[in-house]
Amino acid sequence: GENVEQHPSTLSVQEGDSAVIKCTYSDSASNYFPWYKQELGKRPQLIIDIRSNVGEKKDQRIAVTLNKTAKHFSLHITETQPEDSAVYFCAARISGGYQKVTFGIGTKLQVIP
Amino acid sequence: NAGVTQTPKFRVLKTGQSMTLLCAQDMNHEYMYWYRQDPGMGLRLIHYSVGEGTTAKGEVPDGYNVSRLKKQNFLLGLESAAPSQTSVYFCASVVFGGSYNEQFFGPGTRLTVL
Repeated sequence: GENVEQHPSTLSVQEGDSAVIKCTYSDSASNYFPWYKQELGKRPQLIIDIRSNVGEKKDQRIAVTLNKTAKHFSLHITETQPEDSAVYFCAARISGGYQKVTFGIGTKLQVIP
Repeated sequence: NAGVTQTPKFRVLKTGQSMTLLCAQDMNHEYMYWYRQDPGMGLRLIHYSVGEGTTAKGEVPDGYNVSRLKKQNFLLGLESAAPSQTSVYFCASVVFGGSYNEQFFGPGTRLTVL
């Protein structure tokens, strides 16, 4: 099955700085890579995703990059704000697997005002 | 639309007791999933269902059973709870069709087994 590794497990940045979270996956059949944000005590919610035929995708202050050859994908948050503080999960989904995804262990991001 | 809902929100059990967690969705989604979330381990798939009357094992199925008698409901059962099952349980659902569909999560159930 798929294995997703995520790092760092914790990340502290000053408000206004950038934050980068990196993930690797093991199965080359994975074709969809969503990122979820989970605020304390809340449910995970999709913030951005990328498909295997795309190298980069942006949505305002967040962007995701994908390197299929190296099986790496990353989340970039620019101009961080205190409300960005949360746990972020990367995930990977294998094509044809009933939409099942495998999650990374999560990164706890703290934005210091 | 309520989206994905879970009942109950919190529960404390004693070792050996049984209980059922209910997940309901009103989005007419075919696929439903049960995850457990533990510190430092992310979200791990327990069981899933690809349609009414079907269930399949995920990554960590031992100690759990599931049923999908109605399309909108997915039940997770613990027959004999153990302290290792203390966790936060999330249900999720996905629409059928297409290749890149978002999983919608319920609010979670926090279960403590003493």
